[in-house]
Amino acid sequence: QVQLVQSGSELKKPGASVKVSCKTSGYSFKTYGMNWVRQAPGQGLEWMGWINTRTGNPTYAQGFTGRFVLSFDTSVSTAYLQISSLKAEDTAVYYCARDRRISIFDYWGQGTLVTVSS
Amino acid sequence: QSVLTQPPSVSAAPGQKVTISCSGSSSNFGNNYVSWYQQLPGTAPKLLIYDNNERPSGIPDRFSGSKSGTSATLDITGLQTGDEADYYCGTWDTSLSVGVFGGGTKLTVL
Repeated sequence: QVQLVQSGSELKKPGASVKVSCKTSGYSFKTYGMNWVRQAPGQGLEWMGWINTRTGNPTYAQGFTGRFVLSFDTSVSTAYLQISSLKAEDTAVYYCARDRRISIFDYWGQGTLVTVSS
Repeated sequence: QSVLTQPPSVSAAPGQKVTISCSGSSSNFGNNYVSWYQQLPGTAPKLLIYDNNERPSGIPDRFSGSKSGTSATLDITGLQTGDEADYYCGTWDTSLSVGVFGGGTKLTVL
């Protein structure tokens, strides 16, 4: 069965970096793109961007350019989200979500809580 | 402020029907399909409806969706206490070239 398993919670200081992983299984990794979605505490879902796992081309939503990098490693069927120069407002749960077709997210990871605090 | 507009909350009694609305614009709903997601408390979202009215395998037919013009609705019939969750609509916005979600609707089953 399709599974997306994300790395564990992170506690980081402002200015630090974090890399969240999303390990997939149960399907051919390169067949589907991977999206990332942010959910700030008590807030709704916010689409951050997606990466084409065939071409490697990432697309970022406005507000998620510069400090945010999407990548993947096909050899381990894993997608990554890296955030640099962390700020308190980056505190959120980050989800990876498989792209069934453009903007249809059919399988989700369990989420990774990133807390940024001094 | 979300690109898609949903009511913050809805409520109904067990066994009843509830409708959740989602309003968009021509740049998103005009040429793209709508999806709906259920997020139970403390869990990841789950795909409920895609392509406006299609259910993934395993989703009961109590859940149904529709779209007309720049609005979409999610209907849930035979409400159960286990349906208490946040529900989000989502689609692609062609003008912005981004995925977009509604602000979410909290369903309370009284």
